[in-house]
Amino acid sequence: NAGVTQTPKFQVLKTGQSMTLQCAQDMNHNSMYWYRQDPGMGLRLIYYSASEGTTDKGEVPNGYNVSRLNKREFSLRLESAAPSQTSVYFCASSEVGWGGWSNYGYTFGSGTRLTVV
Amino acid sequence: TQLLEQSPQFLSIQEGENLTVYCNSSSVFSSLQWYRQEPGEGPVLLVTVVTGGEVKKLKRLTFQFGDARKDSSLHITAAQPGDTGLYLCAGGISGTYKYIFGTGTRLKVLA
Repeated sequence: NAGVTQTPKFQVLKTGQSMTLQCAQDMNHNSMYWYRQDPGMGLRLIYYSASEGTTDKGEVPNGYNVSRLNKREFSLRLESAAPSQTSVYFCASSEVGWGGWSNYGYTFGSGTRLTVV
Repeated sequence: TQLLEQSPQFLSIQEGENLTVYCNSSSVFSSLQWYRQEPGEGPVLLVTVVTGGEVKKLKRLTFQFGDARKDSSLHITAAQPGDTGLYLCAGGISGTYKYIFGTGTRLKVLA
């Protein structure tokens, strides 16, 4: 089925460990996004890529890095995990509207539940 | 601070009842989307509204965009247990590059 695929689905890290969350979309969308979802905080944008070759910071970028590997793939890296990064991470994609977000909404992956102990 | 506030936060109703969820902001939106999220899954897009005053229907769900494009509502007729989930509104703020999500309404429909 067409859509956004995220791996892994679950992960437990120790404080200080690093890891990369993978995301791929097969809808030929130009823009891709990484969000985190926390209770009481809603969905917050970490980084986005308006098009292949570009990335920009979102609302909560500290402690994260991203790579837009090609049009399909957008990865999120935690260099030194901290307990505050315990969250559910969602990747999303969209056709470009302007400014990196779409007037037609996003397609989300099913998420990665990350726990940092 | 640009916010999208949803009300109510939580709603538990019996199958067959009607309900309305509200999404309000002081900002003007270029477009507004509604999503439904089920446990363990990502949000799924339900609808996009673009024009002030626009009404869209999706089976038993009716979505309305406010005339001033600052608010929206979702009305569900004869709710069913399959409607259970977290409902999120989201939109792109007019004249900016910001896309924000609402605080969410958690709906539970009891059989």
